[in-house]
Amino acid sequence: DAGVIQSPRHEVTEMGQEVTLRCKPISGHNSLFWYRQTMMRGLELLIYFNNNVPIDDSGMPEDRFSAKMPNASFSTLKIQPSEPRDSAVYFCASSLQGTGSYEQYFGPGTRLTVT
Amino acid sequence: KQEVTQIPAALSVPEGENLVLNCSFTDSAIYNLQWFRQDPGKGLTSLLLIQSSQREQTSGRLNASLDKSSGRSTLYIAASQPGDSATYLCAVKNTDKLIFGTGTRLQVFP
Repeated sequence: DAGVIQSPRHEVTEMGQEVTLRCKPISGHNSLFWYRQTMMRGLELLIYFNNNVPIDDSGMPEDRFSAKMPNASFSTLKIQPSEPRDSAVYFCASSLQGTGSYEQYFGPGTRLTVT
Repeated sequence: KQEVTQIPAALSVPEGENLVLNCSFTDSAIYNLQWFRQDPGKGLTSLLLIQSSQREQTSGRLNASLDKSSGRSTLYIAASQPGDSATYLCAVKNTDKLIFGTGTRLQVFP
């Protein structure tokens, strides 16, 4: 298996522009997680999906952030409009959730820089 | 609210030393605890996962223990090597969420 795939790996954009990050989870996994990592705040969970349904989006910082999972093999995280404080590394992870005891596997991340 | 703390924040040791990284958490009602490694500019690699019913897990030179009642886990690295240099993160699972610690940045010098 190729693991969790994220694109792009690096994104540089200007403030006010729309940014879309993409994730393909491991085939067969039924849960997908979006995280953000910064030096100041460490690794934070933004939102997660079970069976393509958003379960908890309490970590989404504000309405500028939105996430979708139209099918089991694809998810997007969108920021519109982007701001410099959104600069961070965004990770996607997937797992097979049953009793809640399964490992999460992380993608390589997307490094976002908003100027 | 679950809080996860890792001590020390940074560690620098000579090659060959055995070392212990510590992780503590405030809510003992966890499903499991996972240790990750993160290399600079890279994603997270899962090292070990300990279920809440287990006391320890081993993989090669790594051994992780879990004392759920006291809210503690340790990651033991035997005979450290320069290639072990990375940031080590522990994460506990409450329901479907992973709550991450702040990480320990390890440097092993030759």
